[in-house]
Amino acid sequence: NAGVTQTPKFRILKIGQSMTLQCTQDMNHNYMYWYRQDPGMGLKLIYYSVGAGITDKGEVPNGYNVSRSTTEDFPLRLELAAPSQTSVYFCASSSALGDEKLFFGSGTQLSVL
Amino acid sequence: DQQVKQNSPSLSVQEGRISILNCDYTNSMFDYFLWYKKYPAEGPTFLISISSIKDKNEDGRFTVFLNKSAKHLSLHIVPSQPGDSAVYFCAASARSRDDKIIFGKGTRLHILP
Repeated sequence: NAGVTQTPKFRILKIGQSMTLQCTQDMNHNYMYWYRQDPGMGLKLIYYSVGAGITDKGEVPNGYNVSRSTTEDFPLRLELAAPSQTSVYFCASSSALGDEKLFFGSGTQLSVL
Repeated sequence: DQQVKQNSPSLSVQEGRISILNCDYTNSMFDYFLWYKKYPAEGPTFLISISSIKDKNEDGRFTVFLNKSAKHLSLHIVPSQPGDSAVYFCAASARSRDDKIIFGKGTRLHILP
């Protein structure tokens, strides 16, 4: 039972580079989320999706893009990496928008230098 | 503007004693409250929740208390065990409005031998 799988686990980017963080879930959840966690800070919602083809902005969407072509996959795209995007990124899924049980991936540690 | 506040960044408790983690919130629309636990290099995992129609919810060693008039909730762990050493996130949502979960900054709990 894989749950929510994120790749890569670690990545170092140079300023201005682009990359895609991959996220896939096998629980047939309609709702998926991307959070970032900065040191000493809580989880901030970047983007979320309520189903295939539907995405919406969270608290901190600037500098990111998402797409949801299938129920399983919810990739996060960084187009022009900046040092402020150095963070740990978590993908999560749930069966409902305010559902108590968010299932998280193990995270991607991203450094932009 | 933090809607969910965990004012103690860290807490140290002797093994076997009670751990009390506190959380305050500002949004009166919140009607569902959650605690997540996070180990290093892992994603957060759901621990326990409480609806605003209750003032207490218990699950084994974990009890969450809700004081709506004070907009305050607390997580009690009794007795504390070494495996409880982790970061604990308080979170809240306006579930009746199908709204997203908002997280606090987290409290790092150290259980001392």
